Amino acid sequence: KAGVTQTPRYLIKTRGQQVTLSCSPISGHRSVSWYQQTPGQGLQFLFEYFSETQRNKGNFPGRFSGRQFSNSRSEMNVSTLELGDSALYLCASSSGTGDEAFFGQGTRLTVV
Amino acid sequence: GIQVEQSPPDLILQEGANSTLRCNFSDSVNNLQWFHQNPWGQLINLFYIPSGTKQNGRLSATTVATERYSLLYISSSQTTDSGVYFCAVDPNDYKLSFGAGTTVTVRA
Repeated sequence: KAGVTQTPRYLIKTRGQQVTLSCSPISGHRSVSWYQQTPGQGLQFLFEYFSETQRNKGNFPGRFSGRQFSNSRSEMNVSTLELGDSALYLCASSSGTGDEAFFGQGTRLTVV
Repeated sequence: GIQVEQSPPDLILQEGANSTLRCNFSDSVNNLQWFHQNPWGQLINLFYIPSGTKQNGRLSATTVATERYSLLYISSSQTTDSGVYFCAVDPNDYKLSFGAGTTVTVRA
């Protein structure tokens, strides 16, 4: 059974640009959640989607957005990139009912 | 929101030693997981353990939900056990809240 797939694995962007990250969950999983990991702030929750509906959102500015498609794949978008957005972005999938979550390999974003 | 505290923050072990990592949380949860983050950043699932005790090889974990803590035991540690261990909990609000992690270094 394939795991959680995140693309791309690495990205380098310039301040002010926007970026879209993609996450394909484990087959059959309907919940996808996103996390940002930085050395200073640790692992922080961004948002969670279940059957195309956002059920929870973390404390991030509106520049961070996401969506989920009918096949459960999810994308997150960051507009007007800032240097502080440089981080490892992790996606997790689960059945959505408090069951075990599985993480992808992450996308490492560097903003220069 | 829920608070998750992991201790100790750093642990240095000699190969073959045993150790215990602790995770305290401030509210009742319906999900508790332990992860090991590999050098490339991926979070590897160790245990899904909202309550009770589980064992997997040299690793075992116990969660006492009524007292709001979980313990991860590493026995006969190996250099490949090095890395950061995270505890994460979900108090039924569709997100995992992570502790700051315990960095384990196993020396040969």
